[in-house]
Amino acid sequence: KQEVTQIPAALSVPEGENLVLNCSFTDSAIYNLQWFRQDPGKGLTSLLLIQSSQREQTSGRLNASLDKSSGRSTLYIAASQPGDSATYLCALPSQEISSGSARQLTFGSGTQLTVLP
Amino acid sequence: EAGVAQSPRYKIIEKRQSVAFWCNPISGHATLYWYQQILGQGPKLLIQFQNNGVVDDSQLPKDRFSAERLKGVDSTLKIQPAKLEDSAVYLCASSLNYREGGSYEQYFGPGTRLTVT
Repeated sequence: KQEVTQIPAALSVPEGENLVLNCSFTDSAIYNLQWFRQDPGKGLTSLLLIQSSQREQTSGRLNASLDKSSGRSTLYIAASQPGDSATYLCALPSQEISSGSARQLTFGSGTQLTVLP
Repeated sequence: EAGVAQSPRYKIIEKRQSVAFWCNPISGHATLYWYQQILGQGPKLLIQFQNNGVVDDSQLPKDRFSAERLKGVDSTLKIQPAKLEDSAVYLCASSLNYREGGSYEQYFGPGTRLTVT
């Protein structure tokens, strides 16, 4: 059974700092890995999806890397801004439940990021 | 493209009462998921539908929770009777069917925040 861990649980940084969020998983036989953002009282917004064959994926100031062999992914945020304050979650699809069906996601507990002005 | 819709956004009930949540997925998405997110934790899957059939309900507390997806579109999740530990955010997500060798993405609604007193 896949287990996903995110450290730290909370992080506070001054505006403009570059930062790294960590995600580790126990089963390296993964299909892909997603990073989500969750604002207070809101649903989840997908930020980046990395396929198992990829090493990294970039979107604007965000860069996600994947190292399957070590069971790790990192989300790098460059030049952080107060608007980046949110909870960041990583998630991996489960093993296929039945042929042709999409896969449920297993989530980490998230890292709550606060960027101070 | 309209996103995943959920209602109500907030609900406060007393323990032992019943409650129902509604979800309308993105048009054309065959797979629908209900997740429970307890404060400080990542979302955990309750039930997964493909069209109007259940793919996985192994983590649904069936003595009090029920869900249906009539006609393979909208879905309702019911809790009867509610317990204090059911206080959580209930998230609905949808996705296209799994495609061999391709990628899929889950799209989340804003969630329903349930408080049981």
